[in-house]
Amino acid sequence: GAGVSQTPSNKVTEKGKYVELRCDPISGHTALYWYRQSLGQGPEFLIYFQGTGAADDSGLPNDRFFAVRPEGSVSTLKIQRTERGDSAVYLCASSLTSGASSYNEQFFGPGTRLTVL
Amino acid sequence: AQSVAQPEDQVNVAEGNPLTVKCTYSVSGNPYLFWYVQYPNRGLQFLLKYITGDNLVKGSYGFEAEFNKSQTSFHLKKPSALVSDSALYFCAVTPTDTGRRALTFGSGTRLQVQP
Repeated sequence: GAGVSQTPSNKVTEKGKYVELRCDPISGHTALYWYRQSLGQGPEFLIYFQGTGAADDSGLPNDRFFAVRPEGSVSTLKIQRTERGDSAVYLCASSLTSGASSYNEQFFGPGTRLTVL
Repeated sequence: AQSVAQPEDQVNVAEGNPLTVKCTYSVSGNPYLFWYVQYPNRGLQFLLKYITGDNLVKGSYGFEAEFNKSQTSFHLKKPSALVSDSALYFCAVTPTDTGRRALTFGSGTRLQVQP
């Protein structure tokens, strides 16, 4: 079946511009996650959605970053006034809802490589 | 706050030999532990997870990992390495008792299997 898809695969923008990154999760997955991976590092958590609501946004670095998931499926990560330090690969993952004493693994998309010039 | 340490940036092993990729973690309470693999220009792929129960967990492609609570470790192992196992491996953790669902990843270990 189809996995997690992300568009665009690459995005080059200029400092100060606004960008949107899209994630289409696996059908039926109610949980959706955004991570950011800088060169030579592991992914760092940004935000987690359960359905339409952001259940945990503690990883967003500042108020320039915002994400939505209005219908509980596709999500968009929005970055305002981009800075060169925002350059990274942005990863999206989805999973089935985990219970109180279980954890369903996350399935990752291929990522969007963002370059801020 | 939780953390993961992968002390080796790179592990080199000859094809057919056993391999070990090390991971230690820090988390309040009990952990959920994971291994993911990343091939060039591809997303992270899930290998295996420890939730509860048997300390030896078996996963995809012949990989296994052993949970050791006293040493707070979750090392990835394979009895016989293949050249195609060459990739970047990430260990990840999340606590079981906070309801937090985000994963905390280590910095990754590059596995190079020589023919």
